[in-house]
Amino acid sequence: EAQVTQNPRYLITVTGKKLTVTCSQNMNHEYMSWYRQDPGLGLRQIYYSMNVEVTDKGDVPEGYKVSRKEKRNFPLILESPSPNQTSLYFCASTGQGNSGELFFGEGSRLTVL
Amino acid sequence: GQSLEQPSEVTAVEGAIVQINCTYQTSGFYGLSWYQQHDGGAPTFLSYNALDGLEETGRFSSFLSRSDSYGYLLLQELQMKDSASYFCAVNGAAGNKLTFGGGTRVLVKP
Repeated sequence: EAQVTQNPRYLITVTGKKLTVTCSQNMNHEYMSWYRQDPGLGLRQIYYSMNVEVTDKGDVPEGYKVSRKEKRNFPLILESPSPNQTSLYFCASTGQGNSGELFFGEGSRLTVL
Repeated sequence: GQSLEQPSEVTAVEGAIVQINCTYQTSGFYGLSWYQQHDGGAPTFLSYNALDGLEETGRFSSFLSRSDSYGYLLLQELQMKDSASYFCAVNGAAGNKLTFGGGTRVLVKP
């Protein structure tokens, strides 16, 4: 089954404790992206990657890091989480071209205390 | 940069028609997408307009006017299961780099 898988789905952590949210897709997609979703603000892009070893900042990259060492994986790293990073995070992927269609993971709800 | 405006909430009854408007300002434009998101779920793709005009997919249709920087999603024959949030998103650069609007919550009443 074609899918984007995120882990963990739910996490409660404390300020300053490094964490990684993993994202993996099995569709051989070149493009992967991370979004955060907050009430009333829609989905805001954090980072994206056009292909292996190619990453770029989105609209709200502060406090986050990413890497793209393999085509299928695109982890999101919070080196020192803060309460303002409490949010719902979505990973998404798509193939080449401009279809306007992203395939989203199920989301990871993160709470930073 | 990019910015998109859409209404925050719309309420309608079963069987009605709802139109969700989206206006955008963008430095680059490849197309306008629409997504549906049910509470607790992930966004799912509905439609994409790269050219002016109307695209119809079953009960849902999407329209784009590039000259007016405007699009809309039309939901026809509303059903209870259509209660969800709907997002427009601009594809502003090559490779599906999407910027999303704030979303419109549609509530369908019996």
